[in-house]
Amino acid sequence: DAGITQSPRHKVTETGTPVTLRCHQTENHRYMYWYRQDPGHGLRLIHYSYGVKDTDKGEVSDGYSVSRSKTEDFLLTLESATSSQTSVYFCAISDPDNYGYTFGSGTRLTVV
Amino acid sequence: AQSVTQPDIHITVSEGASLELRCNYSYGATPYLFWYVQSPGQGLQLLLKYFSGDTLVQGIKGFEAEFKRSQSSFNLRKPSVHWSDAAEYFCAVAAYNNNDMRFGAGTRLTVKP
Repeated sequence: DAGITQSPRHKVTETGTPVTLRCHQTENHRYMYWYRQDPGHGLRLIHYSYGVKDTDKGEVSDGYSVSRSKTEDFLLTLESATSSQTSVYFCAISDPDNYGYTFGSGTRLTVV
Repeated sequence: AQSVTQPDIHITVSEGASLELRCNYSYGATPYLFWYVQSPGQGLQLLLKYFSGDTLVQGIKGFEAEFKRSQSSFNLRKPSVHWSDAAEYFCAVAAYNNNDMRFGAGTRLTVKP
């Protein structure tokens, strides 16, 4: 979506390797989020950030870490990828004064 | 924590027919409620949101939703469905600080010609 981009769009990786997904925004929004989407589960929150260097865990944070060194970038890292982390990952941003999230187009990650 | 249930996994309607997608939430206080739509291979797009006030909210693309506190529901409606409405629809609930939005499992809508 306009103002938020995710990279890469697709990635295949091997079990046990580290993987980093990037979310970049141009809206200067304070809040950024990482979700994973799996059939039958909808979207589940992994981690979120409420400012530079300020992050917190979500519903399904095990096996994931995040970093936010700049307002515009929010990185999601799988330290040692497992097959259960095969999913579609979405980044979202929100403005506290205008509720409702704006989502990126997603990253499809396959762990083989 | 808040949660959302969308009872219908898949719904098929004929083009031109009316549509209602069900959403039930669980949250102790007044919730912030949302409906999103997702086309294949795309991210989620916000259709409408409810925070307070009028319990009938209007959204984009001709959709509306009604908040019913007594039933813990926030059902999405459209009077006449178009073929382009075929997509997956997600209901979501957030706490007052909007930092932990929980989504339902989604309802996939198929539109018959």
